[in-house]
Amino acid sequence: AQSVTQPDIHITVSEGASLELRCNYSYGATPYLFWYVQSPGQGLQLLLKYFSGDTLVQGIKGFEAEFKRSQSSFNLRKPSVHWSDAAEYFCAVGAGSSNTGKLIFGQGTTLQVKP
Amino acid sequence: DADVTQTPRNRITKTGKRIMLECSQTKGHDRMYWYRQDPGLGLRLIYYSFDVKDINKGEISDGYSVSRQAQAKFSLSLESAIPNQTALYFCATSAIISETQYFGPGTRLLVL
Repeated sequence: AQSVTQPDIHITVSEGASLELRCNYSYGATPYLFWYVQSPGQGLQLLLKYFSGDTLVQGIKGFEAEFKRSQSSFNLRKPSVHWSDAAEYFCAVGAGSSNTGKLIFGQGTTLQVKP
Repeated sequence: DADVTQTPRNRITKTGKRIMLECSQTKGHDRMYWYRQDPGLGLRLIYYSFDVKDINKGEISDGYSVSRQAQAKFSLSLESAIPNQTALYFCATSAIISETQYFGPGTRLLVL
């Protein structure tokens, strides 16, 4: 069965510092992978996605993520965090080419940004 | 205008009451989904629909029902609300050829 683990429930970084949010998945074939962000009181916004091809994907707001098949990981990174990045971040996995249309979400990581 | 809208945005109800949450979309997508979000649990799928005639249970469908009135409308009902259904509910849509889902702003439900 598919599953997604975000090991860090809460992360605090200083503004301007680099950021890495971890995501590990369990799936037998090549999955579709997503990162969503949820700002306070808002819905989920897609940051980036990986379907195939280049394992380093660029997203909106300066975020990027790298798919590492050997580690079953899809970590989200940003070189310099801004105060407006404070939000909850969700990693999700889809069933890849079988296209069931269903996503499995991780538990979420809450990012706090210190001035 | 938002592509995926949810009404109401906030709702307080009492135990035992029937309540309906509504979702509309203008993206022209065939697939629609209902999730609930609880702190520390992420999003869990309640029901999903691949077209008007296709409704499927998700991982936590007990106590909920849905209706797909049209391609653009997907409603979630709580037949007899209970306090542990207090949560943030999200509707989402996706196209057939893609698993990217687009989310509405959410409905915050409190069951007293």
